[in-house]
Amino acid sequence: GQSLEQPSEVTAVEGAIVQINCTYQTSGFYGLSWYQQHDGGAPTFLSYNALDGLEETGRFSSFLSRSDSYGYLLLQELQMKDSASYFCALRDQAGTALIFGKGTTLSVSS
Amino acid sequence: NAGVTQTPKFRVLKTGQSMTLLCAQDMNHEYMYWYRQDPGMGLRLIHYSVGEGTTAKGEVPDGYNVSRLKKQNFLLGLESAAPSQTSVYFCASRPDRGSETQYFGPGTRLLVL
Repeated sequence: GQSLEQPSEVTAVEGAIVQINCTYQTSGFYGLSWYQQHDGGAPTFLSYNALDGLEETGRFSSFLSRSDSYGYLLLQELQMKDSASYFCALRDQAGTALIFGKGTTLSVSS
Repeated sequence: NAGVTQTPKFRVLKTGQSMTLLCAQDMNHEYMYWYRQDPGMGLRLIHYSVGEGTTAKGEVPDGYNVSRLKKQNFLLGLESAAPSQTSVYFCASRPDRGSETQYFGPGTRLLVL
């Protein structure tokens, strides 16, 4: 099976940088994704890493190291609207099912 | 485009009752998924479909059945609801195997008494 571990909560202040880590166990997978979910809302796609290295999308970056079974989401220039839950997720080896971690709640204060 | 829609938005059931949750997408996506979300548990995959007429089990399929008779619709059925099935249910769709983004519906809140 597959499993993902991420911190349950992270706090930061506006303008800061925060890193949300994700470690995983799997026998094989396609890539690592990150989703954002605001309270009461639907999850929305943020980024995807198929290969090792850093992917940058505006203020958000995501990193994957397959040899370390580790990835992270980096959020820069934090804003209040970034307060949300962030989920890492593995696409299975068949490229079909997406399995999520339990999520990290980010609280951004002024 | 409406994207992914879910019906109903909220429902209260008594233990033992049955119901069907409907997910519809108007983006001609091949893949569709049903997840449940419980506090502290993240999103757990119930069943999924890789195309019309196909279904497969996810992480937590027990107590649920699904059908994908039409490409645009993915139905989730609870034959005999239990309090443990109280949850928020999210449907998602994905264009095809070459696309990584999953598009989620707004969710259905289900309370089983």
